[in-house]
Amino acid sequence: AQKVTQAQTEISVVEKEDVTLDCVYETRDTTYYLFWYKQPPSGELVFLIRRNSFDEQNEISGRYSWNFQKSTSSFNFTITASQVVDSAVYFCAGAKAAGNKLTFGGGTRVLVKP
Amino acid sequence: KAGVTQTPRYLIKTRGQQVTLSCSPISGHRSVSWYQQTPGQGLQFLFEYFSETQRNKGNFPGRFSGRQFSNSRSEMNVSTLELGDSALYLCASSSDRVGDSTNEKLFFGSGTQLSVL
Repeated sequence: AQKVTQAQTEISVVEKEDVTLDCVYETRDTTYYLFWYKQPPSGELVFLIRRNSFDEQNEISGRYSWNFQKSTSSFNFTITASQVVDSAVYFCAGAKAAGNKLTFGGGTRVLVKP
Repeated sequence: KAGVTQTPRYLIKTRGQQVTLSCSPISGHRSVSWYQQTPGQGLQFLFEYFSETQRNKGNFPGRFSGRQFSNSRSEMNVSTLELGDSALYLCASSSDRVGDSTNEKLFFGSGTQLSVL
């Protein structure tokens, strides 16, 4: 069974600071898929990024970047130059090769103050 | 393209009643998944339907059931409601499995907030 751990329950930053969210994804599978979702107060889960276990490089997309370390099972996500609109709960999730069952972490609430 | 639509947005029921929640996926999506979100248990997978067949199921009692219609719309039913069923129920759609494409992802609706009194 997979296990997703987000150790940080809440992070508070001032606008323009960088925010790094930690996630540990434990699984015995060799192929799996990792995601970060954002949940604003409206409730909808908004897709942010996806990384496959077989991807070679970490990437940057706009103000988002992510770092996957297979040796430590960590899948960290960074928001550069945070904005007030980034305030939300962020979820890390993983999925096995078959099916669409996502296993979610407990979420990290991010508060960006002006 | 319209997103995932869930109705109703809010529901209030009493213990023992049953409830049906509805989800319309993004046009062209054949997979619909349901998740329960509570403050205590977080986000938990309920089940997934693909082309009218249940493809995957989470660890929930038989009181939780679902179905998918030929137009990919899905309904979720909870019978004999308990106080602990109070939660945000989220529906997600995708074209197929996340493993079938390197860019596949789940698109979520805004959810149905169910309160059981």
